[in-house]
Amino acid sequence: KAGVTQTPRYLIKTRGQQVTLSCSPISGHRSVSWYQQTPGQGLQFLFEYFSETQRNKGNFPGRFSGRQFSNSRSEMNVSTLELGDSALYLCASSLIGARFYEQYFGPGTRLTVT
Amino acid sequence: AQTVTQSQPEMSVQEAETVTLSCTYDTSENNYYLFWYKQPPSRQMILVIRQEAYKQQNATENRFSVNFQKAAKSFSLKISDSQLGDTAMYFCAFREGSQGNLIFGKGTKLSVKP
Repeated sequence: KAGVTQTPRYLIKTRGQQVTLSCSPISGHRSVSWYQQTPGQGLQFLFEYFSETQRNKGNFPGRFSGRQFSNSRSEMNVSTLELGDSALYLCASSLIGARFYEQYFGPGTRLTVT
Repeated sequence: AQTVTQSQPEMSVQEAETVTLSCTYDTSENNYYLFWYKQPPSRQMILVIRQEAYKQQNATENRFSVNFQKAAKSFSLKISDSQLGDTAMYFCAFREGSQGNLIFGKGTKLSVKP
């Protein structure tokens, strides 16, 4: 079974621009979560989507948004990019109803804002 | 709010030796799950081991085992017979209840030396 895939893997953007990242979950997984990983703040939860609805949201500004499609693929968008948005963005998928509800991570998208 | 603390930013171990990584957490909940994830250099996050809070028996997965002390809110990871491929960042993570986002510690960078 294919794992979680994320595109693009690397991205360089300029301050003020916007960016869209994509995540395809493991087949059958309907929950998708997004995390931001930086050296200073570590891994921080952005939001979770299930059945096209945002179910949970972390403490990030409104510039960070996401959505989920009917095939469970998810996108996250960051508008008006700031230098501090440079990070590894990780997507994770989960199987609802699984005993541990463990999350399986993709390889991440490395975003650099200049 | 729940917090996860990993007090060892870096550790090293000789190949074939045993190493223990520490993790403590803070919560007032009774129903929660604990995880250890491994993130090798430039590679994606992999689930190593998981533990349900209501199970007293410590989880084991091959060379990996945990020492779960619920009263002390401690969840350490023991790696036996360390291998070069175990070199990675190790993250301890907490999740409340049967759903929800992961809360991560800052990580421990483990180097296995030949």
